[in-house]
Amino acid sequence: GAGVSQSPSNKVTEKGKDVELRCDPISGHTALYWYRQRLGQGLEFLIYFQGNSAPDKSGLPSDRFSAERTGESVSTLTIQRTQQEDSAVYLCASSLGRVTNEKLFFGSGTQLSVL
Amino acid sequence: RKEVEQDPGPFNVPEGATVAFNCTYSNSASQSFFWYRQDCRKEPKLLMSVYSSGNEDGRFTAQLNRASQYISLLIRDSKLSDSATYLCVVNMNTGGFKTIFGAGTRLFVKA
Repeated sequence: GAGVSQSPSNKVTEKGKDVELRCDPISGHTALYWYRQRLGQGLEFLIYFQGNSAPDKSGLPSDRFSAERTGESVSTLTIQRTQQEDSAVYLCASSLGRVTNEKLFFGSGTQLSVL
Repeated sequence: RKEVEQDPGPFNVPEGATVAFNCTYSNSASQSFFWYRQDCRKEPKLLMSVYSSGNEDGRFTAQLNRASQYISLLIRDSKLSDSATYLCVVNMNTGGFKTIFGAGTRLFVKA
């Protein structure tokens, strides 16, 4: 597709369930980022990928969160045993990943609601 | 200490006013800098990059002071459509390009 695609756009789940969020970056973009944005707050860095590797996982809030990327393309963010505090919009962004001053292109996000 | 800090505002200004936002960053190894704009319930979009020499794009002027680790954004002749949250963004090379967003400064421009 022409832009970054995220699915699902909305996810409602029960506390304790696992969820998987998907991001399809722009074709050819080697850098991919995941952010979390709680209502009324800023973007919280979670993790980024350069190719299929994640040089910095320091933003993942707990060991319930994990992410992977395959084929330098699709990435999935998995949250195990969801808690109500996980409710937020999860945003994915991608960039070419060749130089430092590149524009990030964002998807529309996945709104996660944990009941 | 947060890696990127901004005054959350909100800034409430009348149309036509000039408004300035500031941002500080903690990592001296930061390499590139941006301002993004985020409208309510929308994804962030790039407003402009920020260079040490300063740069201007129409009514918007951005400045970077590396010595003080400080970034600014000036909006002249504010329009109603400028109402949004402005995000200060810092990019650092940590084996790839880690991009950190500030929490944002909210701007309301009123008629």
